[in-house]
Amino acid sequence: GAVVSQHPSWVICKSGTSVKIECRSLDFQATTMFWYRQFPKQSLMLMATSNEGSKATYEQGVEKDKFLINHASLTLSTLTVTSAHPEDSSFYICSARDRLVGNEQFFGPGTRLTVL
Amino acid sequence: AQTVTQSQPEMSVQEAETVTLSCTYDTSESDYYLFWYKQPPSRQMILVIRQEAYKQQNATENRFSVNFQKAAKSFSLKISDSQLGDAAMYFCALISGGGADGLTFGKGTHLIIQP
Repeated sequence: GAVVSQHPSWVICKSGTSVKIECRSLDFQATTMFWYRQFPKQSLMLMATSNEGSKATYEQGVEKDKFLINHASLTLSTLTVTSAHPEDSSFYICSARDRLVGNEQFFGPGTRLTVL
Repeated sequence: AQTVTQSQPEMSVQEAETVTLSCTYDTSESDYYLFWYKQPPSRQMILVIRQEAYKQQNATENRFSVNFQKAAKSFSLKISDSQLGDAAMYFCALISGGGADGLTFGKGTHLIIQP
């Protein structure tokens, strides 16, 4: 149980294009999903908190117009990197909070984004 | 703001030996939870152990145990009988309140297992 998937696992795009990353909770309902960013050899940094049916809450320093988050259902959240630039290249990880198990987050396998 | 500090960028241990990874934290909340996550080369985050701040008893999961010192705001991870599969990055993490917020992570400790 408690499986979270992410798609795609790896994406390469050209500078200026937009990329969408999906995060799905496969066997539970997630009222809250989180998006993290991890640069090489660094830790995970929280980007935003996504609640089903409401606007995402972004951490300080994260551009909400660049990183669009949509949490349209209890099992799906999407992160769209708009007008991507090489500095957006990173590893993006989502996690989902099972509403029945309040304090544990279950992580997706991550998406490696490379912007050329 | 809450912080998590891991002061050991890298640790090395002989297979079958015991190793302790250090973590200190700071939070103004009285209700919080602490976690240790393992991140192998696949980069999948794996929960190793969790500790509720209101519990005085240290959490244990098979070969993994913690030493939770609430007053000192310390949360170390002990790995007994180290195995080659334990080699990974280990992150200490903190979440406050009811879990509605995201995790705050330390910078991580790279654990090397010597055969």
